[in-house]
Amino acid sequence: GAVVSQHPSWVICKSGTSVKIECRSLDFQATTMFWYRQFPKQSLMLMATSNEGSKATYEQGVEKDKFLINHASLTLSTLTVTSAHPEDSSFYICSANTRTNRDIQYFGAGTRLSVL
Amino acid sequence: QKEVEQNSGPLSVPEGAIASLNCTYSDRGSQSFFWYRQYSGKSPELIMFIYSNGDKEDGRFTAQLNKASQYVSLLIRDSQPSDSATYLCAVTGGYNQGGKLIFGQGTELSVKP
Repeated sequence: GAVVSQHPSWVICKSGTSVKIECRSLDFQATTMFWYRQFPKQSLMLMATSNEGSKATYEQGVEKDKFLINHASLTLSTLTVTSAHPEDSSFYICSANTRTNRDIQYFGAGTRLSVL
Repeated sequence: QKEVEQNSGPLSVPEGAIASLNCTYSDRGSQSFFWYRQYSGKSPELIMFIYSNGDKEDGRFTAQLNKASQYVSLLIRDSQPSDSATYLCAVTGGYNQGGKLIFGQGTELSVKP
């Protein structure tokens, strides 16, 4: 149980375009979903926390107008990187916790974004 | 600034040996402690979690927590080459943090055949 699906796994786009990443909890309803970014040889950095039906809470230094998060249902959250630039190239990972144990986060497989 | 500190390594151990990974945290309000394993190019995978002081064992893995010293460790017995990965220590951000995790920078483990 507690499977999180993330799609796509890899995306290459031109500078200036927008990219949408989906995160789904397949066999549970997620209380909260989290979005992380990881640069090579670095740890995970939390970008934002998302609850169904409410606005996402962004971490300090993360541009909310650039990284749009929509949490439309208890099983789906999306991250849209708007007007992507090469410096946005990174590994983006979502996670979700369950109603029964809000401490444990289950991670999606991640999306590797390359902006040319 | 709430921090989680790990030795970045690399930590190299021979196959069959015990690998010891350490982590310290700064927020005394932290309640839950996690170890994730991350293979290169992949997302983190939960290995262990621990809430109370003492040891918690699961197969070849033992997590140890000492809240007074703000220290958590992971022991891997009978290390295998397949254990070679980066191990991330993560700590919840204290009370009313909504389940947010604070990650350490990770320790790279290399198990040599």
